[in-house]
Amino acid sequence: DAKTTQPTSMDCAEGRAANLPCNHSTISGNEYVYWYRQIHSQGPQYIIHGLKNNETNEMASLIITEDRKSSTLILPHATLRDTAVYYCIVRVNSGGGADGLTFGKGTHLIIQP
Amino acid sequence: DAGVIQSPRHEVTEMGQEVTLRCKPISGHNSLFWYRQTMMRGLELLIYFNNNVPIDDSGMPEDRFSAKMPNASFSTLKIQPSEPRDSAVYFCASSLQVVDTQYFGPGTRLTVL
Repeated sequence: DAKTTQPTSMDCAEGRAANLPCNHSTISGNEYVYWYRQIHSQGPQYIIHGLKNNETNEMASLIITEDRKSSTLILPHATLRDTAVYYCIVRVNSGGGADGLTFGKGTHLIIQP
Repeated sequence: DAGVIQSPRHEVTEMGQEVTLRCKPISGHNSLFWYRQTMMRGLELLIYFNNNVPIDDSGMPEDRFSAKMPNASFSTLKIQPSEPRDSAVYFCASSLQVVDTQYFGPGTRLTVL
């Protein structure tokens, strides 16, 4: 799976949009971009994933650049409960490869009151 | 709907003792993954099963570690004998199929004295 690069930490004011960047310049055409987060002392929580198109669900939006070399996770109205470590992961969804998730160090997002 | 269930949530044992961690995947999910999280190594995949069959155990650190999945609703991860360096949080995750989104349990925090 391709390697990802994320900032170590970010701050965001409560109520504002949190934009978390991720670089995956070596991503292959069949690799998806996944985002998970881990709130302190809890298991990783799935947020969203996408291949080429932008995606939105009840938790967040995922913006993938046209060349697919980077993406941004957007939490539209951050709350204190969004303070967590956010992981960007690229993964092939075709089986037969590395089917586990490869977690990097992620971005520690701190929402400030 | 019940998510992935893990037990116990916390385990404290002495070096040399046998430890058994348990996981119940989401009903209907055919793939199950065991991960370990430490400060030094982060989150890493230990082993995963598809349709109760172990597919890849290359992440299992030593022969002291073993995992079984006797049926679709139950899996165990056993450490015998346990050592202090096995202290970590162990997560179980499940997915519909191997290539699908993985959902994590709350984890078992293991402390080996």
